[in-house]
Amino acid sequence: QSRLTQDASVSGSPGQSITISCTETSGDLGGFYHVSWYQQHPGKAPKLIIFDVSNRPSGVSPRFSASKSGNTASLTVSGLQAEDEAYYFCSSYMRGSNLWVFGGGTKLTVL
Amino acid sequence: QDQLVQSGAEVKKSGSSVRVSCKVSGDTLTFSSYGISWVRQAPGQGLEWMGRIVPVLGIIHYAQNFEGRVTISSDSGDNSATTVHLDLRSLRSKDTAVYYCARDEVRGQRGGYYAMDVWGQGTTVSVSS
Repeated sequence: QSRLTQDASVSGSPGQSITISCTETSGDLGGFYHVSWYQQHPGKAPKLIIFDVSNRPSGVSPRFSASKSGNTASLTVSGLQAEDEAYYFCSSYMRGSNLWVFGGGTKLTVL
Repeated sequence: QDQLVQSGAEVKKSGSSVRVSCKVSGDTLTFSSYGISWVRQAPGQGLEWMGRIVPVLGIIHYAQNFEGRVTISSDSGDNSATTVHLDLRSLRSKDTAVYYCARDEVRGQRGGYYAMDVWGQGTTVSVSS
């Protein structure tokens, strides 16, 4: 079964850039295609910020960008702002298995 | 405008069952097909996918962790809304969580995508012994 691994936490100062990684550890790279990223503030529902590896939904800040290489997807937040402090989850729809998987989440702290 | 509106909070005893509902309305209903997933989040924990349904096609898939204990279904009401239900049986304290429904796929004339782009407000289910 597919598993997505994320670092537990990352931090940066305002104006800096940070990158959050998401690694697929089961070897199911054929299913690691529909990668999406979600931002969640405490007490709120998750919000989609990236879909299909690197696409930003309408209304999402261009400070959020993403890519994928091999078994690792990455989310970069540029020009850190206080409002970016939140949890970030990666996810992928595994078409061959007809299931979704989530990473464990990364807490972003803006110092 | 797309909306997913969930039913209210539930307090249950261990061993009982719970139904959480998610009313789908708005532009979602105009797509050729769409998918709705259920995702839960225990206190202080991450997101856990439970299963999904494509109401128009009657396709349903469950996460292995919940097979045999969960049922996802849908009611097509009038043309203005569809309701998706999550039934969870044999509740235990570890099922205490916020349960979310989320639109996870859309398909239309211009293609589609897999992404949880619309979320319900969440339903708190508390299970006590």
